[in-house]
Amino acid sequence: GQQLNQSPQSMFIQEGEDVSMNCTSSSIFNTWLWYKQDPGEGPVLLIALYKAGELTSNGRLTAQFGITRKDSFLNISASIPSDVGIYFCAGQKPGTASKLTFGTGTRLQVTL
Amino acid sequence: NAGVTQTPKFQVLKTGQSMTLQCAQDMNHNSMYWYRQDPGMGLRLIYYSASEGTTDKGEVPNGYNVSRLNKREFSLRLESAAPSQTSVYFCASSKTKNTEAFFGQGTRLTVV
Repeated sequence: GQQLNQSPQSMFIQEGEDVSMNCTSSSIFNTWLWYKQDPGEGPVLLIALYKAGELTSNGRLTAQFGITRKDSFLNISASIPSDVGIYFCAGQKPGTASKLTFGTGTRLQVTL
Repeated sequence: NAGVTQTPKFQVLKTGQSMTLQCAQDMNHNSMYWYRQDPGMGLRLIYYSASEGTTDKGEVPNGYNVSRLNKREFSLRLESAAPSQTSVYFCASSKTKNTEAFFGQGTRLTVV
């Protein structure tokens, strides 16, 4: 089955820096979701996007639904140590109600 | 409000043994899902239930069965466990089939 291409796979950044990650696919999606997963925990929903071109913020996080409907972006501004974790994108294709396709994740590590 | 609760949190099985993973949600959600997470693979959908009384196969259903016992509960059964089923299993639920999913804390299963 298809998984979304998520990049980068991992990143080391310093506290205070901004972070960008993206998710791409060869298929069109109706919905894009961004999740964060801490060690030993389940993914927690950060942002949901439902419309091409939509830009949505949640605190220091901002995500965009790509205009082509084949990609999405997540930005974290002024990173802090608790931003450490794995970030997953997930998308729902037209006609596949209930089925989310997940990216392989971006592992973020923040140094002081 | 507990959200999505999974039991057990950890389990070790011998090859050929059977077991049932339990999941319950208290958010009055209609749709429920079972995913497995393997290193570097993101999350892959095993089975889902769009509404009470219905179940459908996901991306990787082989070796598993599910039961939507009622609106709250959705169980995953391994009839004859294999080492390839060593994974972390996540249950999730969503209000309807087209909205964002909320995850439990996971069950870490090892098959030896």
